[in-house]
Amino acid sequence: QVQLVQSGDEVKKPGASVKVSCKASGYTFTDYGISWVRQAPGQGLEWMGWISAHNGDTKYAQNLQGRVTMTTDTSTTTAYMELRSLRSDDTAMYYCARDRGLWLQPRLFDYWGQGALVTVSS
Amino acid sequence: DIVMTQTPLSSPVTLGQPASISCRSSQSLVHSDGNTYLSWFQQRPGQPPRLLIYKISDRFSGVPDRFSGSGAGTDFTLKISRVEAEDVGVYYCTQATQFPLFGQGTKVEIK
Repeated sequence: QVQLVQSGDEVKKPGASVKVSCKASGYTFTDYGISWVRQAPGQGLEWMGWISAHNGDTKYAQNLQGRVTMTTDTSTTTAYMELRSLRSDDTAMYYCARDRGLWLQPRLFDYWGQGALVTVSS
Repeated sequence: DIVMTQTPLSSPVTLGQPASISCRSSQSLVHSDGNTYLSWFQQRPGQPPRLLIYKISDRFSGVPDRFSGSGAGTDFTLKISRVEAEDVGVYYCTQATQFPLFGQGTKVEIK
């Protein structure tokens, strides 16, 4: 069965970086992509970006350009999301979701990780 | 930007009674391939989102048949035929081709 298992919760100071992992299993990793979606406390869902596990192509939300980097390790079927220069408004639950392998295909989001809470506080 | 508008934002329902959520997009969601990529997600308290419905009306694997989706073009509806306690949560309509993707969510709670 398809599973996405994320790394644990993190507490960071403003200005620091965080790297969240998403270990995929139960499907051919390189046939798909991974999107990252975050949710601030009590708020809705915000798409952050996408990475193809096939060729590493990435697309990022405009408001995060320059602060976010998404990568994959096909040898361990793991996706990573690094967010730098953290601010208090980056405090959120961060989810990975299985997505299409090609950017021009419609988004998929059929399976989700359990989430990783990132708290940014001095 | 495309705007996805859900109504109501909150829906108190009686157990065993039906519930309905409307989603309207500011632009047609018909894709160039002829499909309409409108999905519904359920997010129970403390849980990640879960795909319920895709392409307007296709139920995802394991989703009970009390959930159904309908609509076309710019107007879509999610219906729960008989609400159960486990249906409490926030429901998001989502279009899969333009950004931003997600509606603002509708909270379903028991009266």
